[in-house]
Amino acid sequence: GQQVMQIPQYQHVQEGEDFTTYCNSSTTLSNIQWYKQRPGGHPVFLIQLVKSGEVKKQKRLTFQFGEAKKNSSLHITATQTTDVGTYFCAGRGLNDYKLSFGAGTTVTVRA
Amino acid sequence: NAGVTQTPKFQVLKTGQSMTLQCAQDMNHEYMSWYRQDPGMGLRLIHYSVGAGITDQGEVPNGYNVSRSTTEDFPLRLLSAAPSQTSVYFCASTLGTETHTEAFFGQGTRLTVV
Repeated sequence: GQQVMQIPQYQHVQEGEDFTTYCNSSTTLSNIQWYKQRPGGHPVFLIQLVKSGEVKKQKRLTFQFGEAKKNSSLHITATQTTDVGTYFCAGRGLNDYKLSFGAGTTVTVRA
Repeated sequence: NAGVTQTPKFQVLKTGQSMTLQCAQDMNHEYMSWYRQDPGMGLRLIHYSVGAGITDQGEVPNGYNVSRSTTEDFPLRLLSAAPSQTSVYFCASTLGTETHTEAFFGQGTRLTVV
């Protein structure tokens, strides 16, 4: 079945630094979605990427979808304490509404 | 709109007990699903439904049952609780069109089986 791998599992960042989390699927995806979960909270949808090579930005967050539609990345610039949480990627298979989630990257920020 | 509502928020069960986790959505979404979240393992799909009367298994269905008698409700039943089912459970719903496939999650149920 479809598997989505995400690295790194943990990211400890100095406030103001940049970091990237990576997501890789074993199969071609119809789209990839990113979610953020604050400590003690529930996952909240951030963005969906559909097209091969697509790049989308939300303020300091940049999301990319690979050319083969099997990998994605989330890059955060100038990390702030509000960025603390776990970021999940989730891949939707072809002709399927099921989402396969990566294990998540848990981000902590040093002030 | 309330979105996706899960009850209870917390529950402690003894091994062998059964219970039902409730999930309701008021967005008229066709697609609903149940996930469990364990440390380091992300969200794993237990069961899902593409519409009233239709359910199917996800990747970790053993020990759980679901039904979908209405569009709004998608309860998850634990048949005989085991310590391995200690987890945080999330219900999610999705509109289910080609362009709207994002999942809306409930607040979660933290279940401990002793």
